[in-house]
Amino acid sequence: KQEVTQIPAALSVPEGENLVLNCSFTDSAIYNLQWFRQDPGKGLTSLLLIQSSQREQTSGRLNASLDKSSGRSTLYIAASQPGDSATYLCAVRRVFGNEKLTFGTGTRLTIIP
Amino acid sequence: SAVISQKPSRDICQRGTSLTIQCQVDSQVTMMFWYRQQPGQSLTLIATANQGSEATYESGFVIDKFPISRPNLTFSTLTVSNMSPEDSSIYLCSVRSGGAGDNEQFFGPGTRLTVL
Repeated sequence: KQEVTQIPAALSVPEGENLVLNCSFTDSAIYNLQWFRQDPGKGLTSLLLIQSSQREQTSGRLNASLDKSSGRSTLYIAASQPGDSATYLCAVRRVFGNEKLTFGTGTRLTIIP
Repeated sequence: SAVISQKPSRDICQRGTSLTIQCQVDSQVTMMFWYRQQPGQSLTLIATANQGSEATYESGFVIDKFPISRPNLTFSTLTVSNMSPEDSSIYLCSVRSGGAGDNEQFFGPGTRLTVL
């Protein structure tokens, strides 16, 4: 059974700093991995999708990496802003087809102005 | 990407009543998913709804409690039946981009349900 863990559960950093969020998964046989952000009481916004054959994806100030063999992904946020404050979730999908997403526990990020 | 809307955005309901949540997508999709997010928790899949067939429920969820309709490729409803305070959660509709593409998954804004 796939288990996805995100450490730390909460993180506070001053505005302007670069930061890294971590995601680990127990079964390396994944089809893809997706990073989401969730604002309090809201739905999820897709940030980045990495296919199993890829090493990283970039969108603006965000960079996500994937090391499938070690069961790890990181989300790098450059030059953090108060608007980046949210909960960040990673989710993995095991095989192509109908396989469901398995979500991590999330990291609650607070950017201090 | 897919744009997903949900109605209602939030509701406060009495114990024993039922609530139907609507999900509308701006494009045709084969698979729609319903998730629940209990306070302080991550997301749990309730069921997968394919057009023209019965929904497939995950372990711990049953059709009598969470009946789902999927009348066409852009719309679905989830009913939370005979509600109790334990059903207080955010309910999220989700779709996956189809074809041979990346199969990115998108979520609606959620319905925040409070049961008294």
